[in-house]
Amino acid sequence: GAGVSQSPSNKVTEKGKDVELRCDPISGHTALYWYRQSLGQGLEFLIYFQGNSAPDKSGLPSDRFSAERTGGSVSTLTIQRTQQEDSAVYLCASSSPRGGFYNEQFFGPGTRLTVL
Amino acid sequence: AQKVTQAQTEISVVEKEDVTLDCVYETRDTTYYLFWYKQPPSGELVFLIRRNSFDEQNEISGRYSWNFQKSTSSFNFTITASQVVDSAVYFCALNRQAGNDMRFGAGTRLTVKP
Repeated sequence: GAGVSQSPSNKVTEKGKDVELRCDPISGHTALYWYRQSLGQGLEFLIYFQGNSAPDKSGLPSDRFSAERTGGSVSTLTIQRTQQEDSAVYLCASSSPRGGFYNEQFFGPGTRLTVL
Repeated sequence: AQKVTQAQTEISVVEKEDVTLDCVYETRDTTYYLFWYKQPPSGELVFLIRRNSFDEQNEISGRYSWNFQKSTSSFNFTITASQVVDSAVYFCALNRQAGNDMRFGAGTRLTVKP
């Protein structure tokens, strides 16, 4: 497709389980971002990948959160030992090779994670 | 520190009314970028505008207009003659020139009633 895609669209899991969320950025976009949007809240930055550089992990809320980006394209956000407070919509965005954060970001539809 | 404040949590207007969404930001940087995004009920954020800190000219795009005032650290968004399809959550965001420190406001939920 032409846009950013994310899977699954919805994920319900039990507390303590691990989950993996996937993001397929727009082809050719070297920058990829993960955000978290809790109910009624703004977007919280989690992690940023740019090309082959080391990712900026400064927004990850705890060491239970990790992300990787294979081959400079698809990214997976992993949450280990999920807690109820992890319930949120996880958004992925990508941007063009021309710039960093200050360029337009294209967002995916998000993955709604519910931890029971 | 960077911060974006959208004081209006929810706004409700009747179709064809004009509405202004407020955005106030804080930054110590002299070069920075401001954005507005729209999040319709479908959930996918849509980019509306980007403005750099050196360009204070107001911008108009159809029914949308933006008023950037560095003196008051504000980047307000006005929708003229609102329509039901404008109903969405609107986010203001701020990014530094360097680094990956994009900050979003909490968003303003706009409801346009027919």
